[in-house]
Amino acid sequence: DAGVIQSPRHEVTEMGQEVTLRCKPISGHDYLFWYRQTMMRGLELLIYFNNNVPIDDSGMPEDRFSAKMPNASFSTLKIQPSEPRDSAVYFCASSPDRLNNYEQYFGPGTRLTVT
Amino acid sequence: DAKTTQPTSMDCAEGRAANLPCNHSTISGNEYVYWYRQIHSQGPQYIIHGLKNNETNEMASLIITEDRKSSTLILPHATLRDTAVYYCIVMEYGNKLVFGAGTILRVKS
Repeated sequence: DAGVIQSPRHEVTEMGQEVTLRCKPISGHDYLFWYRQTMMRGLELLIYFNNNVPIDDSGMPEDRFSAKMPNASFSTLKIQPSEPRDSAVYFCASSPDRLNNYEQYFGPGTRLTVT
Repeated sequence: DAKTTQPTSMDCAEGRAANLPCNHSTISGNEYVYWYRQIHSQGPQYIIHGLKNNETNEMASLIITEDRKSSTLILPHATLRDTAVYYCIVMEYGNKLVFGAGTILRVKS
């Protein structure tokens, strides 16, 4: 199994530009999570999906952030427009089902730098 | 979910057991104790979890006190590759993981 795949691994963009982060969960996993990690705030859950449906987006910082999961094997996190304070490492994770969603498998992360 | 308290950092000699403590004095009866770790520049990795019985797997052992107010994660023979941030998380089954600051474990040769 390839594990959770994220792309790109690194992204450098200018303030005001649109940024799209991508994630491919582990095949057969029902849950997908997006996290953000910064030195100041640590690791924060942004949003999670169950069977492609967003369940809880209370961690999404503001309207500039949006996430979609058009099918079971792909999700995107979009920031439009991006700001320097969005600079962080963004992780995607997946888990098999609700009974086992404590065991989340994380991807390698996307390091985003907004200048 | 109950809050946890962990030491900021710990050192351990390579080959020795690493014992990482976690206090969770307000834990409720249906809350589990979960441990994750994050090696530098990688995503977090699930290690182990338990409710009230001690647990062991290929990575570690989890010892939970009888009153469940504290627990200890044990890495029996620490290696340099175990250097990481270790997170203790208490939550009800099926809830969202909330990561605190964790303990920085440094394994030294």
